[in-house]
Amino acid sequence: GAVVSQHPSWVICKSGTSVKIECRSLDFQATTMFWYRQFPKQSLMLMATSNEGSKATYEQGVEKDKFLINHASLTLSTLTVTSAHPEDSSFYICSARAPEFDEQYFGPGTRLTVT
Amino acid sequence: GDSVTQMEGPVTLSEEAFLTINCTYTATGYPSLFWYVQYPGEGLQLLLKATKADDKGSNKGFEATYRKETTSFHLEKGSVQVSDSAVYFCALRSSNYQLIWGAGTKLIIKP
Repeated sequence: GAVVSQHPSWVICKSGTSVKIECRSLDFQATTMFWYRQFPKQSLMLMATSNEGSKATYEQGVEKDKFLINHASLTLSTLTVTSAHPEDSSFYICSARAPEFDEQYFGPGTRLTVT
Repeated sequence: GDSVTQMEGPVTLSEEAFLTINCTYTATGYPSLFWYVQYPGEGLQLLLKATKADDKGSNKGFEATYRKETTSFHLEKGSVQVSDSAVYFCALRSSNYQLIWGAGTKLIIKP
């Protein structure tokens, strides 16, 4: 089946620094990738949708200058959390889909802790 | 807008008990409906789906039927196991392929 990976699986950074999270589709070309944020014991919140080669579409309330998304190729999307603060600590999940698939495939998630 | 409501957890059952996790939705048109499962420490996995009214999705002993008349997609399993302990999410897919999520229901199965 389709596999999506994320790297790193967990990261700890200091307040004010930037962190990059990678999302890769390993065995298919992902025309669309989605980035979600999951708070403890809560559901997933869609942050943005990115299509390869174009700018990401951010959901209302998500700061595009803080959460930089780049979908540079059909197998890679990155989320950069700039000037991270403790309130950015969360579980970030990506998913990917291709036109031939009827569903999204999810990465395992990245646990970000900002100290 | 579209939304999904599922029963709050945690749901605690004994092994071999019957499971129902309720899920209802509001949507324009006829969305596809999904159940995802998140096992401890793992990523989201698609458990089952249904794409049109009266469809029944099934996998690993779990079933859910797309009920248009009651706008529901309840998850059921006849005999749960300890290994079924996880968080279960109901979701619908909107026309632009975005997934709208329920809040998730934590299931705890005791031996």
